[in-house]
Amino acid sequence: NAGVTQTPKFQVLKTGQSMTLQCAQDMNHEYMSWYRQDPGMGLRLIHYSVGAGITDQGEVPNGYNVSRSTTEDFPLRLLSAAPSQTSVYFCASSYSRISSYEQYFGPGTRLTVT
Amino acid sequence: ILNVEQSPQSLHVQEGDSTNFTCSFPSSNFYALHWYRWETAKSPEALFVMTLNGDEKKKGRISATLNTKEGYSYLYIKGSQPEDSATYLCAFTSGNTPLVFGKGTRLSVIA
Repeated sequence: NAGVTQTPKFQVLKTGQSMTLQCAQDMNHEYMSWYRQDPGMGLRLIHYSVGAGITDQGEVPNGYNVSRSTTEDFPLRLLSAAPSQTSVYFCASSYSRISSYEQYFGPGTRLTVT
Repeated sequence: ILNVEQSPQSLHVQEGDSTNFTCSFPSSNFYALHWYRWETAKSPEALFVMTLNGDEKKKGRISATLNTKEGYSYLYIKGSQPEDSATYLCAFTSGNTPLVFGKGTRLSVIA
């Protein structure tokens, strides 16, 4: 199993550009989520999905869209990049929406917006 | 928004020392408490998921306890080694809701 994969590993964008961060998992996990990690802020939830076709907002959803058309994939779209979105983004998955199951994290995408 | 506090923010210990740190969370509507280990330039990895008051879990030299009535969990590392250097995150959930992470405790073990 590859586990949770993310692409790209690094990305530099100009303000106003859009892009999609890819996330895939091969563990048939029901629950997937996106976090951003900023210095001194810990991990903050952007969006999550409890199954294909179902998504919901987390703590910091503004400026981001998600979709979940398959169990395996959960892409995160930046609509119009802003310097405030410079961060490290982690995708995670879990067997179930029930929160007693551990989350598996991808390797992260480091995004810089200039 | 639920508040999860971790203390201390950072910690430096000598190799061989034992250490512990704290995660505080709301004591009402408890469902589960997670601990993750996060090494620099890597991604977080699960250590423990704890669901019952009084739970004690152990993995090698690392152990954790849980008190849901007073809203805290302790993580203990016995005989710290340089490879234990990492940020330790806890995360709380009140049920069918997403995990809320603390900001972590950064541990540095000096050889």
